[in-house]
Amino acid sequence: GQQLNQSPQSMFIQEGEDVSMNCTSSSIFNTWLWYKQDPGEGPVLLIALYKAGELTSNGRLTAQFGITRKDSFLNISASIPSDVGIYFCAGQAGGTSYGKLTFGQGTILTVHP
Amino acid sequence: DTGVSQDPRHKITKRGQNVTFRCDPISEHNRLYWYRQTLGQGPEFLTYFQNEAQLEKSRLLSDRFSAERPKGSFSTLEIQRTEQGDSAMYLCASSRTGVNTEAFFGQGTRLTVV
Repeated sequence: GQQLNQSPQSMFIQEGEDVSMNCTSSSIFNTWLWYKQDPGEGPVLLIALYKAGELTSNGRLTAQFGITRKDSFLNISASIPSDVGIYFCAGQAGGTSYGKLTFGQGTILTVHP
Repeated sequence: DTGVSQDPRHKITKRGQNVTFRCDPISEHNRLYWYRQTLGQGPEFLTYFQNEAQLEKSRLLSDRFSAERPKGSFSTLEIQRTEQGDSAMYLCASSRTGVNTEAFFGQGTRLTVV
């Protein structure tokens, strides 16, 4: 099935560093969502973006909905060990597809203390 | 706990057997989704319900797969004559009806077909 292009695939960083990851699509989305998934668990919603150009923060996390509606990025500032996990972007189209999500392949984040 | 609940968390079955998974959504959510996730990939959409009506099915949902939501509350996903390729994490999510809605996921059911 269709998936978004998410990069990088993995990141190895030191505690305290900032992290940036992004997602691009060939299709327009009305909503962008960012999730974090721990091994053996379901994805947990971090941030939701609803308008092109929107910049939203949730604690140390900041995400933006691209102007073209075909991309989004997520930044994590001052990373800590518990940030370890897999981060997924997800796009939601409009019309009859409301609610159905298309996911990226994920970014595996490793934080060294 | 008012989150999305899935049961069982893990299922090991022999090839050819039938399996059924259950999902209990967040109580006020009208929409319920099933996704499948294989190792190293993001979740892929399988099907979704609005109340008891199944409104969309992915081409990933072969004839061996069937999903129901008989009373618009909990849902079941059944896989008949399981194959090794069915091994995956099966995720359920729910959301409200509307334009700007957020989907919340359960913890998933990990299926291993041996």
